[in-house]
Amino acid sequence: QVQLVQSGAEVKKPGASVKVSCKASGYTFTDYNMHWVRQAPGQGLEWMGWISPNSGETNYAQKFQGWVTMTTDTSISTAYMELSRLKSDDAAVYYCTRGEVGAHFDHWGQGALVTVSS
Amino acid sequence: QSALTQPASVSGSPGQSITISCTGTSNDVGGYNYVSWYQQHPGKVPKLMIYAVSNRPSGVSNRFSGSKSGNTASLTISGLQAEDEADYYCSSYTSTTSRVFGGGTKLTVL
Repeated sequence: QVQLVQSGAEVKKPGASVKVSCKASGYTFTDYNMHWVRQAPGQGLEWMGWISPNSGETNYAQKFQGWVTMTTDTSISTAYMELSRLKSDDAAVYYCTRGEVGAHFDHWGQGALVTVSS
Repeated sequence: QSALTQPASVSGSPGQSITISCTGTSNDVGGYNYVSWYQQHPGKVPKLMIYAVSNRPSGVSNRFSGSKSGNTASLTISGLQAEDEADYYCSSYTSTTSRVFGGGTKLTVL
């Protein structure tokens, strides 16, 4: 069965960077784009962007351009999302989610809580 | 890309039907049949309920249905049950090959 297993919770200081990983199993990793979505405490879902593990092509939401980097390591079926220059309002749960052809998200990672605090 | 517009909250009694709207533009909801809906219980991971406007994934109850008219998509839940109480989010493909979510709707089952 399809599984997306994310790295654990992180605590970062303002101005630092965080890198979250997402290990995929149960399907051919290069056949599906990987999207990243975040959810601040008590807030809604916010789409951050996607990466094609097959080509390395990325598409970031305008808000995150220049600030987020998405990469993959196809040898270990793992996607990464790195967010730099963290601010307090970047504190959120960050999800990886598999993008289906019909533009929906059919499988989600368990989420990685990122806390930003001095 | 602005978030899609959803009502902040809706409510209904057990057995009733409710509808949640999701309004976008011709660059997203109105331009593509790629609207999806997600259910999220507190502290849980979002779950896909509807994709491509009106399709249900395997395992999702047929009490959940989706539709679209112009720039507005809708999720209808019939025969409300206590377990349906959750937050619901719509999402759409956009003209820049991006995705956008709605602000979310809290469903309360009275």
